[in-house]
Amino acid sequence: GQNIDQPTEMTATEGAIVQINCTYQTSGFNGLFWYQQHAGEAPTFLSYNVLDGLEEKGRFSSFLSRSKGYSYLLLKELQMKDSASYLCAVSAEGNTPLVFGKGTRLSVIA
Amino acid sequence: ETGVTQTPRHLVMGMTNKKSLKCEQHLGHNAMYWYKQSAKKPLELMFVYNFKEQTENNSVPSRFSPECPNSSHLFLHLHTLQPEDSALYLCASSLKGGADTQYFGPGTRLTVL
Repeated sequence: GQNIDQPTEMTATEGAIVQINCTYQTSGFNGLFWYQQHAGEAPTFLSYNVLDGLEEKGRFSSFLSRSKGYSYLLLKELQMKDSASYLCAVSAEGNTPLVFGKGTRLSVIA
Repeated sequence: ETGVTQTPRHLVMGMTNKKSLKCEQHLGHNAMYWYKQSAKKPLELMFVYNFKEQTENNSVPSRFSPECPNSSHLFLHLHTLQPEDSALYLCASSLKGGADTQYFGPGTRLTVL
């Protein structure tokens, strides 16, 4: 079966750095996605990792270790608008659709 | 704006009603998806269409009936729903299936009375 774990909630301070972890067990692996979802809105694509290592995109970075079944999303210089849910999703083998985690609700406080 | 639109944005219906949700994508994609998002649960994949052919049906009750007349349009027909079907219904599209990035519409917030 497919299983994706991420913390349910996190709180961090404006201007700080926060790391949101995601672990997965899937049959096969074709890549890992991170999405951001503000309350009442659609998920929006943040990043995609298929090879080990760090992908940096502005204030957001995503890391992948395939051997450990582990990824994290790193958010730097946190802003209030970063308060949202962050969804980890994995593409398993073949042409199977993405499997989503439950999401991590991040609250940024002043 | 992600290039995926959904109507209506909000819908309240009784258990005996019949209604339809509509999704349209303007991205030239070939795969379209319906998801259900309930509070404190992960996104639940309901249906997948690839080049207008249904490729996934995740044990969805028959009171939900999808229709994909072409690669740009996707419908979800609803009839005799239950209160536990109240949720946010999200449509998404991708260039093709599998590991392609999915782009989501804003969702339809459905309440079943």
